[in-house]
Amino acid sequence: EAQVTQNPRYLITVTGKKLTVTCSQNMNHEYMSWYRQDPGLGLRQIYYSMNVEVTDKGDVPEGYKVSRKEKRNFPLILESPSPNQTSLYFCASRGLAEYNEQFFGPGTRLTVL
Amino acid sequence: SQQGEEDPQALSIQEGENATMNCSYKTSINNLQWYRQNSGRGLVHLILIRSNEREKHSGRLRVTLDTSKKSSSLLITASRAADTASYFCATGAPGDAGGTSYGKLTFGQGTILTVHP
Repeated sequence: EAQVTQNPRYLITVTGKKLTVTCSQNMNHEYMSWYRQDPGLGLRQIYYSMNVEVTDKGDVPEGYKVSRKEKRNFPLILESPSPNQTSLYFCASRGLAEYNEQFFGPGTRLTVL
Repeated sequence: SQQGEEDPQALSIQEGENATMNCSYKTSINNLQWYRQNSGRGLVHLILIRSNEREKHSGRLRVTLDTSKKSSSLLITASRAADTASYFCATGAPGDAGGTSYGKLTFGQGTILTVHP
């Protein structure tokens, strides 16, 4: 089954404790992206990657890092989480052809105390 | 900044009625897509309309695109309680010479649709 998986689905942590949210897709997609969703603000892109070893900032990259060492994986790293990073996070992927839809993971609900 | 803005923010209707949601955007697009999100879950792609298309249908969904007004609408006909969800429009940027911007989608804030049985 074609899918994007994220782990963990729920995470409660404390300020400053480094964490990683994993993302994996099995569709051989070149393009992968991370979004955060906050009430009243919709989905905002954090980082994206066009292919292995190619990453770039989205609209709200501060406080986040990503890596793309393998095509299928695109982890999101919070080196020193803060309470304003409490949010619902989505990973997504799509092929690079012109009119491809985007596939979303199930989401990770992060709470930073 | 948000590219797409949906209107209304919330819509409440009875089962069997039609639901219309609108999306406006600011800059040139390559395509416009509509997604659905059930509460707290991942977004699911519904339909894509290209910038050179004016109307598209998929089952009970009808999407229109007016590039001169930079707006789109999503019509759900004969709504069902199971259609209750948030609906988002997302705009795809025109490709640059290297085709590298096709991947980026910019989402609006969504319309919350409630369909009462």
